[in-house]
Parts: sequence; C-alpha cells; structure tokens
Amino acid sequence: DTAVSQTPKYLVTQMGNDKSIKCEQNLGHDTMYWYKQDSKKFLKIMFSYNNKELIINETVPNRFSPKSPDKAHLNLHINSLELGDSAVYFCASSPWAVAGSVQYFGPGTRLTVT
Amino acid sequence: AQSVAQPEDQVNVAEGNPLTVKCTYSVSGNPYLFWYVQYPNRGLQFLLKYITGDNLVKGSYGFEAEFNKSQTSFHLKKPSALVSDSALYFCAVGGISGTYKYIFGTGTRLKVLA
Repeated sequence: DTAVSQTPKYLVTQMGNDKSIKCEQNLGHDTMYWYKQDSKKFLKIMFSYNNKELIINETVPNRFSPKSPDKAHLNLHINSLELGDSAVYFCASSPWAVAGSVQYFGPGTRLTVT
Repeated sequence: AQSVAQPEDQVNVAEGNPLTVKCTYSVSGNPYLFWYVQYPNRGLQFLLKYITGDNLVKGSYGFEAEFNKSQTSFHLKKPSALVSDSALYFCAVGGISGTYKYIFGTGTRLKVLA
C-alpha cells in the first residue's frame, strides 16, 4: 500500500497551459504539504494544510492554488504555466502540525514546461 | 535569518570506511533537527531526528547523528559505508519561528565507492 501517492508521475506541457497535480495519503495524517525541488535539488516548501485549513503559504505566485477537499487529499493547480515552473513537486504528510513531526513524502511529480 | 547549511555538495567514501555528512544550523530557540535521504527518482525518506535528550541519535539503516549545541551542528555518521548508501542526503530544521515549517539544507550527494 502506497502511503503518499501523487498523480501524475510525469507531466509535460506547454507554456500558458493550466495543469493539476493530485496527492493522496492513506496514513490518517492531519497535515499535508507541497514542496518544489528545483534542478539543483534545492527543496522549498510552498503550502501546508492542517485538517483542510491552509496553515503555511510561502511566497509563491498566485498562479499556484492548493485545494484540500478532505484531510487525505491535497491537490495543486497551476495556471498559466511558465518555463520556470519546471521542477519536481513533492507532496508530503505528517501526523500533526507540530514542530517535531516527521514528514512522509510522495514519489514526486516531474513537471516539464516547454 | 534562520538557515541550514550543508557545506559539502558531494562526499566520496570507500565502502567499509566510516562516513560523515555535515550539517550546521542557525535558528533561534531550541531546534528540531532531521536527516532525510533521497534515492534517485524517489521522494525523501526519514532517517532520524533530534528533539531533546541524548546528543547521539540512532536512526534507520545504521545511521546516527550527533547534536552539538555549542557548534550548532548535527552531522550524520555511519561507522561502515555501503555502496547502497549512495544517495542525496538532506538535513532539515523544524519548528521555524514557532511554526510547523521545515527549512531544508541544500543536500549532500554521498557516493560510496566499491
């Protein structure tokens, strides 16, 4: 059983398009996250939800919009894709929104914008 | 500013030799410190964490890390490296500014040579 899953695994699209990435966790965790890993492997948090409520919203262009329909799902919608959006996007979850909580990562979605 | 530094982009070590991957941090208050490992085309996996207590923390796959408050370091160690340990290792600090947010280091690629 996959703990944190993401779809799709690969996404190739053209500039200006709108796309979504889906994430699901079956761990019963309260908190979910989206991270962006760039070509230099630098990992940066984008958003975090706790029980469907947004608790972390980093400086991310408002073309990126997360949505959490329930605490097991956190989707990421990106409007008007740009070349600089090309990266690997990781979803993660943790049991609670507390500082010492371990995060469990999905396998990543490699987004390529041409 | 709060930060995490991994001063080495890559560490090479011969199989069977001890390995050290370095991490230093700069945060206010007591840090929550983590090590994660990323294998090619996979998400990050938790290795170990330090919250409080004994400065030497033991984790998965024979890894351990030593918390040194005076040097603000949390170096990852293993007594005897395996070729299968070759991967990208990330140090992270949690509990930034009283939030649930992590800051990740830039990652260190470990190469264990047979």
